[in-house]
Amino acid sequence: DTAVSQTPKYLVTQMGNDKSIKCEQNLGHDTMYWYKQDSKKFLKIMFSYNNKELIINETVPNRFSPKSPDKAHLNLHINSLELGDSAVYFCASSQDSLAVRGLVFFGPGTRLTVL
Amino acid sequence: GQSLEQPSEVTAVEGAIVQINCTYQTSGFYGLSWYQQHDGGAPTFLSYNALDGLEETGRFSSFLSRSDSYGYLLLQELQMKDSASYFCAAPYNTDKLIFGTGTRLQVFP
Repeated sequence: DTAVSQTPKYLVTQMGNDKSIKCEQNLGHDTMYWYKQDSKKFLKIMFSYNNKELIINETVPNRFSPKSPDKAHLNLHINSLELGDSAVYFCASSQDSLAVRGLVFFGPGTRLTVL
Repeated sequence: GQSLEQPSEVTAVEGAIVQINCTYQTSGFYGLSWYQQHDGGAPTFLSYNALDGLEETGRFSSFLSRSDSYGYLLLQELQMKDSASYFCAAPYNTDKLIFGTGTRLQVFP
């Protein structure tokens, strides 16, 4: 299936741990994103990569480090997890200019719970 | 910066028509998207208005008025499966999509 996929779907961990979320898209898109959705369902962009280059870093703490080994993959590593990091993290991708179509494809999400 | 405001919740009965509003403030505006998100699911694209006016896609229509900085999503012939959260969104600087505050729609039988 052509899609954006991410693993794991659920992640439960203790404060202070380090964890990673992996994302892959087989849509051939040039741009990939990480979004964070909090408990009130606010969707906020964290990072954007275009052809492996970081385009946007939305003042995210540097405990969050995205890595794009190629344009089909964008992983998110989080160091020293805090309670406030608990959220659903969505990977997404787009091809056309957002100004033309406003179209972004989202992965299924990773629900991170920090205890 | 940008902000997009929506009502937090809307309720309706099956078969009815419901309108979800979105008002925006932005330093640059290209168009307005709408996304649907079921509980536990991912946001999925519904529509995009680059120009003023009404765009119709089946039971869903979306409207944009740039002069009023306002848009809405109209859902007709509501079905139980339409119960979900709906987000308006706008591109900012062409390279990121900023989402609205979200509206939870509950459809009752």
